[in-house]
Amino acid sequence: GAVVSQHPSRVICKSGTSVKIECRSLDFQATTMFWYRQFPKKSLMLMATSNEGSKATYEQGVEKDKFLINHASLTLSTLTVTSAHPEDSSFYICSASSGGGGTEAFFGQGTRLTVV
Amino acid sequence: GEDVEQSLFLSVREGDSSVINCTYTDSSSTYLYWYKQEPGAGLQLLTYIFSNMDMKQDQRLTVLLNKKDKHLSLRIADTQTGDSAIYFCAEVFTGTASKLTFGTGTRLQVTL
Repeated sequence: GAVVSQHPSRVICKSGTSVKIECRSLDFQATTMFWYRQFPKKSLMLMATSNEGSKATYEQGVEKDKFLINHASLTLSTLTVTSAHPEDSSFYICSASSGGGGTEAFFGQGTRLTVV
Repeated sequence: GEDVEQSLFLSVREGDSSVINCTYTDSSSTYLYWYKQEPGAGLQLLTYIFSNMDMKQDQRLTVLLNKKDKHLSLRIADTQTGDSAIYFCAEVFTGTASKLTFGTGTRLQVTL
């Protein structure tokens, strides 16, 4: 299957700072990328959908000014957590898809963010 | 809205079969997936089934879909300790470009 690389796998940052997480599709062009957040022992919650060259579509309740998503190329999307707080600590996972209507989405390895 | 429910925990003995169940409320899904997540890792796609199919078998994995009851199951034959993980069912709806709605996840524990 296709490979999606997410970086970093773990990051610790201080409250008030910003953290950028990268999601790269290594061997295919990802027209659509998704960002999920997973709380401990919980399911994955979709945060936003990004299409290359367009503004991201955020799910209800997700602050777009806090979770900045950029999808500037067909192989890279970034999620920046701005002014991080301890409650932003979570596991963030991206997925990438090359098409629509049920085409398989491939997942990155996830990023464990800890805000201290 | 879409709700996808799974039982939280399942424990089986090595060598037995495991059956993980999933129920959903929205019948307009096109594909239904099963993902495996090991501790601290991303999601690995195990298998999927198109909504007009009743069953799909892939080596040790068998997926059964009952559209009338909106029930999906994953059967793992000859369960091994390496199968211990959290299993998520997920569905995709027509026109949503791989936007997945995940179930609550089932933790499978395989004992010796």
